[in-house]
Amino acid sequence: GAVVSQHPSWVICKSGTSVKIECRSLDFQATTMFWYRQFPKQSLMLMATSNEGSKATYEQGVEKDKFLINHASLTLSTLTVTSAHPEDSSFYICSARSPWSGRTGSTDTQYFGPGTRLTVL
Amino acid sequence: GIQVEQSPPDLILQEGANSTLRCNFSDSVNNLQWFHQNPWGQLINLFYIPSGTKQNGRLSATTVATERYSLLYISSSQTTDSGVYFCAVSGNRGSTLGRLYFGRGTQLTVWP
Repeated sequence: GAVVSQHPSWVICKSGTSVKIECRSLDFQATTMFWYRQFPKQSLMLMATSNEGSKATYEQGVEKDKFLINHASLTLSTLTVTSAHPEDSSFYICSARSPWSGRTGSTDTQYFGPGTRLTVL
Repeated sequence: GIQVEQSPPDLILQEGANSTLRCNFSDSVNNLQWFHQNPWGQLINLFYIPSGTKQNGRLSATTVATERYSLLYISSSQTTDSGVYFCAVSGNRGSTLGRLYFGRGTQLTVWP
């Protein structure tokens, strides 16, 4: 249980185009999803917290107009990188908080998707 | 926020060796997770362990919440254990609630 998928797994695009990344919780409903960014050899940095039916909460320094987040349902959150530039090239990872406490004994556990590698030329 | 420090940053082992990875954190936590990031980038949950001790096969973890550290033990390491191990915590008050703060990870390389 608690499987999270992401699509696409990798994408290459031209500078100036927009790219949409989907994050789905496959076997549970997630009221809260998180979007992270990871540069090579570095740790994960939280970009934003996405709550179903409400606006996302962005971390300091993350441009909300550039990284559009939509959490329209309990199983789907999307991240759109608008007008992408080479410096946006990175590994983007989503996670979903599971309401199911059975596996870990906690409803605070986050489960992570496989990530999306974005390369902007 | 909460500061999370992991040590060592890099660890190279011969297959069969044991190892201990450490995670120190700067504030009280209500969630601590250990992850293994495989070479393809997938983060795999190893333990949810805000306190106490857990074991899963060759892996075990101990968190001493009052002293703000956690340890991950890997016994009889295998080449498939290679990758980056992350510790992440979330706090129990204010803005630290519900969000995970990650350490910089320990890069483990196991040679055959």
